[in-house]
Amino acid sequence: AQSVTQPDIHITVSEGASLELRCNYSYGATPYLFWYVQSPGQGLQLLLKYFSGDTLVQGIKGFEAEFKRSQSSFNLRKPSVHWSDAAEYFCAVGVEDTGRRALTFGSGTRLQVQP
Amino acid sequence: GAVVSQHPSRVICKSGTSVKIECRSLDFQATTMFWYRQFPKQSLMLMATSNEGSKATYEQGVEKDKFLINHASLTLSTLTVTSAHPEDSSFYICSARGLNQPQHFGDGTRLSIL
Repeated sequence: AQSVTQPDIHITVSEGASLELRCNYSYGATPYLFWYVQSPGQGLQLLLKYFSGDTLVQGIKGFEAEFKRSQSSFNLRKPSVHWSDAAEYFCAVGVEDTGRRALTFGSGTRLQVQP
Repeated sequence: GAVVSQHPSRVICKSGTSVKIECRSLDFQATTMFWYRQFPKQSLMLMATSNEGSKATYEQGVEKDKFLINHASLTLSTLTVTSAHPEDSSFYICSARGLNQPQHFGDGTRLSIL
């Protein structure tokens, strides 16, 4: 079965600093990979996704992620963090499993931005 | 872009009552809808998958008689929490996908059982 690990439960960065959120996955074939952001009490917003092709994926709000098959990783990056980026970030893997195509989520990383 | 509407956004009710949560795809036909549950400060856990016109597939450990799912049309799925108890209090999120569509998430429903 597939799994997703986000090693960092909580990260604090200063506004304007760069950011990297780690995500590792376990799956036997090439997965579909996603990053979502969730503000408190809100649903999920898709930041970006990887299905195939270019391993560096650009998303919304200035985020990007790089798929590295050799490391089973899909880390999320942003060169300069804004205070509004403070939220919970979830990495997810989507697989074709008996047609259900459900997503398996990591445990999330809470990002705090200091002024 | 595609939008999924979830209603209500928040509900507070007494123990023993049943609560229905609706999930609608507004501008696409959702062949599959998913229901997730999220406990405070935790990740989303898939509860069940519903395909239009067929019975929902429940994840291990999820009581199908407790969490009734109906996906009667290509734009609507409902989750009914029957005889709710305080331990059912949680954040419930639906998502929907159609042909050649990724999953789109609703804004979630915060359920509080007193």
